[in-house]
Amino acid sequence: QVTLRESGPALVKPTQTLTLTCTFSGFSLSTSGMCVSWVRQPPGKALEWLALIDWDDDKYYSTSLKTRLTISKDTSKNQVVLTMTNMDPVDTATYYCARVIYGDYVLDYWGQGTLVTVSS
Amino acid sequence: EIVLTQSPGTLSLSPGERATLSCRASQSVSSSYLAWYQQKPGQAPRLLIYGASSRATGIPDRFSGSGSGTDFTLTISRLEPEDFAVYYCQQYGSSPPAYTFGQGTKLEIK
Repeated sequence: QVTLRESGPALVKPTQTLTLTCTFSGFSLSTSGMCVSWVRQPPGKALEWLALIDWDDDKYYSTSLKTRLTISKDTSKNQVVLTMTNMDPVDTATYYCARVIYGDYVLDYWGQGTLVTVSS
Repeated sequence: EIVLTQSPGTLSLSPGERATLSCRASQSVSSSYLAWYQQKPGQAPRLLIYGASSRATGIPDRFSGSGSGTDFTLTISRLEPEDFAVYYCQQYGSSPPAYTFGQGTKLEIK
């Protein structure tokens, strides 16, 4: 059974760095073909893809946010971490992590999401 | 960068009716990398269709996907009460690897 769960602060101040952790089970990021991606959704708005990391530690980022994002993994803990620097109120959103299988390239299992509000 | 435009923005139908949702890409998209998701209020998106026309595990056969090139369609043959939600199309591009979502279609009860 595949599950993912996001964790991190609910509130961050403008200019701060956001660190989110995705803890998953039911698959391993050391298995060839496994990937984890991050997606966000501002309140009432559409989904926006942020980043992906694969089993081989290759990392891919949204072009528009590339300079602010870092994705990493801890295979032993079954965790993927996303950091986003220089947070702004427009970054207020629900942040989701999701599993991706290389070759299918769809986000087949999602966490429940965590709402991050950026406010002073 | 490929832009996905979904139409209509809102679709008002009654249970039992047929729903047709459109997703148009700004340039040709590989059918292999076109997916549809359903999202209900307060929930994470749920994968419905991948490869433009393959149903994900556990998805009822009233959901079907079709299309190629720049025009893709999600059809719900007979709406059930639980189908009223927001639907997103998504494409994957490999150069560089990236995902793009449409802006969504809200399917509401008439």
